[in-house]
Amino acid sequence: QITLKESGPTLVKPTQTLTLTCTFSGFSLSMSAVGVGWIRQPPGKALEWLALIYWDNDKRYSPSLKSRLAITKDTSKNQAVLTMTNMDPMDTATYYCAHSSTVTTWAFDYWGQGTLVTVSS
Amino acid sequence: QSVLTQPPSVSAAPGQKVTISCSGSSSNIGSNYVSWYQHLPGTAPKLLMYENNKRPSGIPDRFSGSKSGTSVTLAITGLQTGDEADYYCGTWDSSLSAVFGGGTKLTVL
Repeated sequence: QITLKESGPTLVKPTQTLTLTCTFSGFSLSMSAVGVGWIRQPPGKALEWLALIYWDNDKRYSPSLKSRLAITKDTSKNQAVLTMTNMDPMDTATYYCAHSSTVTTWAFDYWGQGTLVTVSS
Repeated sequence: QSVLTQPPSVSAAPGQKVTISCSGSSSNIGSNYVSWYQHLPGTAPKLLMYENNKRPSGIPDRFSGSKSGTSVTLAITGLQTGDEADYYCGTWDSSLSAVFGGGTKLTVL
């Protein structure tokens, strides 16, 4: 059974760097054709894709946020980590991590419960 | 402004059928598979459909998907009150970015 869980600060100040960790089980990011993505949802707004890291360490980023994002993985800990620099109140959102693979042609088939991050001074 | 366009809301009575549209372009829907997600507030989004019209295990056949050109449609028949949720379409773009629609709120009257 695949499960994912996000962890990180609930409150960050403007200009700070956010680091979120996705800890998962039921699969490994060393397995071929697997990936972990990050998606966020600001309050009252739509889902927004942020980044995805593949089993082979290839990485993809949202073009509009690429300069602020970095995604890494630690296969020994079954974790994927997202960092976002220069946080702004507009980045207040629930942040989700999700599993993706060629089984569903890279749809996001398992999601974490999400973690709400508030950006405020 | 989302890359994929969905109606903000749809509604129908219990037992009825509803459809949710999602339109994009040749660089996303027109050249890639589309997935659909159901999202109840405070919960994790759930994958309803992938590869345009394939249901993951456990998703009832009341849910179906179709694609035509640069648009896709999610149909839900035999509406239940438990189907009230936000629905999102998603796909990949030629720029190798994932994109989502703006979401559609389904109200079961």
